[in-house]
Amino acid sequence: DVVMTQTPLSLAVTLGQPASLSCKSDQSLLHSDGKTYLYWFLQKPGQSPQPLMYEVSRRFSRVPDRFSGSGSGTDFTLKISRVQAEDVGVYYCMQGIHLPRTFGQGTKLEIK
Amino acid sequence: EVQLVQSGGDLVQPGRSLRLSCTASGFTFSDYAISWVRQAPGKGLEWITFIRSNVYGGETEYAASVRGRFTISRDDANSIAYLQMNSLKIEDTAVYYCSGGSYSLWGQGTLVTVSS
Repeated sequence: DVVMTQTPLSLAVTLGQPASLSCKSDQSLLHSDGKTYLYWFLQKPGQSPQPLMYEVSRRFSRVPDRFSGSGSGTDFTLKISRVQAEDVGVYYCMQGIHLPRTFGQGTKLEIK
Repeated sequence: EVQLVQSGGDLVQPGRSLRLSCTASGFTFSDYAISWVRQAPGKGLEWITFIRSNVYGGETEYAASVRGRFTISRDDANSIAYLQMNSLKIEDTAVYYCSGGSYSLWGQGTLVTVSS
């Protein structure tokens, strides 16, 4: 199975400050169709996961533009330009090319 | 409204069976793959299965942890996806989520507790 490794496991950020979350895979997520199948989700306390990004850098609908994704191959980053109170929760990356699909262990974002 | 509504979670004894449902509304269900993801208490997310749309042959895939015990299916006429869970184990205790639209849409989750 593809191993997805997220760092850090927890992150405390001051409101209005930026945050950077890392996700690394042990196999390339680049498909022969030219797309890279890397997703980001946010799970707020007591809620279902909510989609943030697909294909590394494409925002799902209604995702604020303070969220951005970057990376290629095996190394990916989710950035929040200015953290808001509603951004608190656990962020998961997931690869969508290899079977079984696999998630990272999550990065917990808190407000400092 | 575009949504997935789940039902079927319960407390069951080890070795018993349970079927979860995921009912879609507000979009063309038959066009999309449906996945199931679970989360054990206090743990992270685990992908367990998906079923492609019938346009892509309705192909199914399973995680090793559930292969041979769980079966995913779909009823496009009624916009429902099912997860049939047989030979349940204590370690299957989790909140189960269905997801569609290439993970753009998620159900509210349903709790399955396997305990004697």
